[in-house]
Amino acid sequence: EDQVTQSPEALRLQEGESSSLNCSYTVSGLRGLFWYRQDPGKGPEFLFTLYSAGEEKEKERLKATLTKKESFLHITAPKPEDSATYLCAVQARGNQFYFGTGTSLTVIP
Amino acid sequence: EAGVAQSPRYKIIEKRQSVAFWCNPISGHATLYWYQQILGQGPKLLIQFQNNGVVDDSQLPKDRFSAERLKGVDSTLKIQPAKLEDSAVYLCASSLGRGIFNEQFFGPGTRLTVL
Repeated sequence: EDQVTQSPEALRLQEGESSSLNCSYTVSGLRGLFWYRQDPGKGPEFLFTLYSAGEEKEKERLKATLTKKESFLHITAPKPEDSATYLCAVQARGNQFYFGTGTSLTVIP
Repeated sequence: EAGVAQSPRYKIIEKRQSVAFWCNPISGHATLYWYQQILGQGPKLLIQFQNNGVVDDSQLPKDRFSAERLKGVDSTLKIQPAKLEDSAVYLCASSLGRGIFNEQFFGPGTRLTVL
């Protein structure tokens, strides 16, 4: 059964305290793994797409990496404006999309 | 570039009533998605259109939910009759295609409350 699991469910960081969010997946024929940011009351905002193991992408303080079983979203020296829920999604061979339940990140000034 | 538009933003109905949501995707985007997001959960894909054809509707409760995308542009999602457990945010997203250009861009969502 295709499945996406994110951990931790919630994370509180001090401003400047780097950390990583995890997304583990089991899916038949991964076509792509996606990271999104969702602010309260808004739709998810696209961050990254990763297609193959070993791939890495960066954007400002965020860096996403992918292995055959999981992806990490590394946050370096976070700021309060990075507070949001981070969602991971996978696209399976049949073009179905599955989202995880997200990690709620709070960055304290 | 205008984003994905959805309306209404909020809707409150009684159980067993009907409701419809509207979505206008980003211009030129061939693929359109409807998701249901229950509070505290990730979005769950209900239906995916490629132009005006259905690609995947395996998780759409077809006894009460229906969706259409006429002329391959706007789309409507209908619930008839609504149940309490349908209370959720309904998100519409669009993407340029189904292959490598499959980054999805989401609208603000419609928050449905069923009483």
